Amino acid sequence: KAGVTQTPRYLIKTRGQQVTLSCSPISGHRSVSWYQQTPGQGLQFLFEYFSETQRNKGNFPGRFSGRQFSNSRSEMNVSTLELGDSALYLCASSFGQVENEQFFGPGTRLTVL
Amino acid sequence: AQTVTQSQPEMSVQEAETVTLSCTYDTSESDYYLFWYKQPPSRQMILVIRQEAYKQQNATENRFSVNFQKAAKSFSLKISDSQLGDAAMYFCAYRSTTTGANSKLTFGKGITLSVRP
Repeated sequence: KAGVTQTPRYLIKTRGQQVTLSCSPISGHRSVSWYQQTPGQGLQFLFEYFSETQRNKGNFPGRFSGRQFSNSRSEMNVSTLELGDSALYLCASSFGQVENEQFFGPGTRLTVL
Repeated sequence: AQTVTQSQPEMSVQEAETVTLSCTYDTSESDYYLFWYKQPPSRQMILVIRQEAYKQQNATENRFSVNFQKAAKSFSLKISDSQLGDAAMYFCAYRSTTTGANSKLTFGKGITLSVRP
């Protein structure tokens, strides 16, 4: 069974630009969660999508947004990039119930110059 | 809001020895899940072990076991017979069972474990 995949793996952008990251969950999984990982703040929850609906949201500004498609693939978008957005962005997929394990992808390393 | 604290940023263990990683958390909920995740240098986060708060028995997975002290809000991970492949960053995480909030994992800052040959 294929694992969670994220594209691209590495990305370099400049301040003010926008970026879209993609996450393909494990087949059959309907929930996709996104996390931001930085050395200073650690791992922080961005949002979760379940069956194309945002089910939970962390404390991030509106520049961070996401969506989920009918095939459960998810994208997150960051507009007007800031230097502080440089991070590893991880997505995790699961069947969506509280007892289900979340499986993480390898992450997308975003560098903002 | 729940918080997870890992106060030791780094630890080192000799190969084949045992090491314990500490974690404390704060919550007002009575039912929840606790996890230990491993993130090797390749960065793929892997679940090591999980504990359901309503279960008194400590979880074990091969060489990995936990010491779950619910009243003390403590959740430590013991790695026995440490191997070179255990070197990684380890994160303690909390997950609520409350509907609407149960998809979110709250992580500690992590601890970097090195294994000496």
